[in-house]
Amino acid sequence: QVQLQESGPGVVKPSEALSLSCSVSGGSLRSYYWTWIRQPPGKGLEWIGDIYYSGGPRYNSSLKGRVTISVDTSKNEFSLKLSSLTAADTAFYYCARVGRSGYYSLDYWGQGALVTVSS
Amino acid sequence: DIQMTQSPSSLSASVGDRVTITCRASQSISNYLNWYQQKPGKAPKLLIYAASSLQSGVPSRFSGSGSGTDFTLTISSLQPEDFATYSCQQSYSTPFTFGQGTKLEI
Repeated sequence: QVQLQESGPGVVKPSEALSLSCSVSGGSLRSYYWTWIRQPPGKGLEWIGDIYYSGGPRYNSSLKGRVTISVDTSKNEFSLKLSSLTAADTAFYYCARVGRSGYYSLDYWGQGALVTVSS
Repeated sequence: DIQMTQSPSSLSASVGDRVTITCRASQSISNYLNWYQQKPGKAPKLLIYAASSLQSGVPSRFSGSGSGTDFTLTISSLQPEDFATYSCQQSYSTPFTFGQGTKLEI
């Protein structure tokens, strides 16, 4: 059974950067896309971006160059960095696996990490 | 970006009811549409992919239909564990976007 687990700080100051990692167990990163999704409390889901196990990230242009997604196959994890944070970036951040349906369906998710941007 | 609009935003129903949730895309997305269920404090769970294909392990009371711009998620007979928020997601083009969610309440 594939399991994903996010880790990172729960509180980050405005203008600083957020770094989250997603550790994958029970399966390999290989041959899959891996993605980050966020959800402000009480609001809808937003796709942040994704990365293939061998690289080549894609990002949501709404984040205006603030986001970096990377992968480390030796550690079986992938990471998110989001810079120049504001209160609008306060959200639950989820990592997820893109399944092999061919329809970009997210079949395994982490439990989510709440990140609060506050001084 | 493709906008996804769900209706209704919230819905009251009872155990045993048949319920339909609608998702409309701002442009044609063929059948590149997925549905998720989310319970409070939990991550979303994949229910339906490719508009009408049931994800492994999901009960058969859940079904999806549609193509182009209009899609529906139907729960044939509501069970107590089905009270949750349901969201659609288009996977036709990046940025992949979600509907705002439909909260299904008792």
